Amino acid sequence: DARVTQTPRHKVTEMGQEVTMRCQPILGHNTVFWYRQTMMQGLELLAYFRNRAPLDDSGMPKDRFSAEMPDATLATLKIQPSEPRDSAVYFCASGLTRGQGSDEQFFGPGTRLTVL
Amino acid sequence: AQSVAQPEDQVNVAEGNPLTVKCTYSVSGNPYLFWYVQYPNRGLQFLLKYITGDNLVKGSYGFEAEFNKSQTSFHLKKPSALVSDSALYFCAVREYSSASKIIFGSGTRLSIRP
Repeated sequence: DARVTQTPRHKVTEMGQEVTMRCQPILGHNTVFWYRQTMMQGLELLAYFRNRAPLDDSGMPKDRFSAEMPDATLATLKIQPSEPRDSAVYFCASGLTRGQGSDEQFFGPGTRLTVL
Repeated sequence: AQSVAQPEDQVNVAEGNPLTVKCTYSVSGNPYLFWYVQYPNRGLQFLLKYITGDNLVKGSYGFEAEFNKSQTSFHLKKPSALVSDSALYFCAVREYSSASKIIFGSGTRLSIRP
């Protein structure tokens, strides 16, 4: 059955290293979201795309984070350089937005990032 | 600006008893309202949504939610709780007229004791 996939599932890295997280949205979905979840901040929207175009990335630290959709089957979230405060679970979600966008989002399993 | 509040960090219920998880929202126009559930080490799963129509919405796993426009609430309910319902529940809201940006609440941890 169709589902959002994310790689890697776990990543441990050292401060200063580049981290790339990948997401494959559900085929046919036209909207992709990146979220970050921590105990302290809860679930935060980092960025989202519709039809591969970035619509809002105001939740993302611009100096070190970047999000792209090179094609309709791949979304990436990069952190360079990474910092310990970036440690969190990063979720990708996709959805099919029609009209005013009333449809639900389907979440991937997440990437658990630990920056030492 | 739109916002959503879940006033309870934790809700504890005995198995077999009814449960309610509270959610209130604020939008400038008509809202789209959602409930999601998160089990340990998993992503969020959609439970139900309110778009328009009947104020009582039925969703997955026997859950339902009641839209109350005057109280700007969208509380999640279930008549008889199961231990397997124990999880983290998120309410979310989006304005009818905006792009597809959804605002999630802070989450409520539901614990069902046997």
